[in-house]
Amino acid sequence: AQKVTQAQTEISVVEKEDVTLDCVYETRDTTYYLFWYKQPPSGELVFLIRRNSFDEQNEISGRYSWNFQKSTSSFNFTITASQVVDSAVYFCALNEGWNQFYFGTGTSLTVIP
Amino acid sequence: EPEVTQTPSHQVTQMGQEVILRCVPISNHLYFYWYRQILGQKVEFLVSFYNNEISEKSEIFDDQFSVERPDGSNFTLKIRSTKLEDSAMYFCASRRTSQYNEQFFGPGTRLTVL
Repeated sequence: AQKVTQAQTEISVVEKEDVTLDCVYETRDTTYYLFWYKQPPSGELVFLIRRNSFDEQNEISGRYSWNFQKSTSSFNFTITASQVVDSAVYFCALNEGWNQFYFGTGTSLTVIP
Repeated sequence: EPEVTQTPSHQVTQMGQEVILRCVPISNHLYFYWYRQILGQKVEFLVSFYNNEISEKSEIFDDQFSVERPDGSNFTLKIRSTKLEDSAMYFCASRRTSQYNEQFFGPGTRLTVL
């Protein structure tokens, strides 16, 4: 079973639209960490956010916001007023402790000017 | 700001050749990782390394792969006899302690096996 599911393979939006990227995770641990990474065409992984399982407070950083809901095991990511520079592949990841990350399959976002 | 570095950024090799991918983790970090991303697919865990030994490895990390920390700064991934399916982006990551769960990723090495 997949520990992290990103059901949206590809999304296209027109510039200035809002877009939400979904992430559903699966774990039996009570302590875990969730992450979002951005991967631009150049290939590197750009860290966006980390959230631990005890902190369900939603977070906003500029045009980015994250909605963490333990009840539905979801950690969704919203970009407000999307821009062309937001075009990238976005990965959600789960870390259950001190070892490996489990990545989702990624959502490819294209922002059309 | 300290960062994980990887060299080379792109490596092209012939099938059957040995390659060594190099990583310099952040200096005060103690846990080191390699991940692989085949083009268009998700990032997959290969191996973790702590206290000069492998702490966990995935099914992908077979006998063709090995890791080493030859000195106090480098962390290497060796593929003994490359196959076409080894073509991928390889990411190194490091983490400071077991209590601090953010892994810092390097920019990756794109390996192309011809």
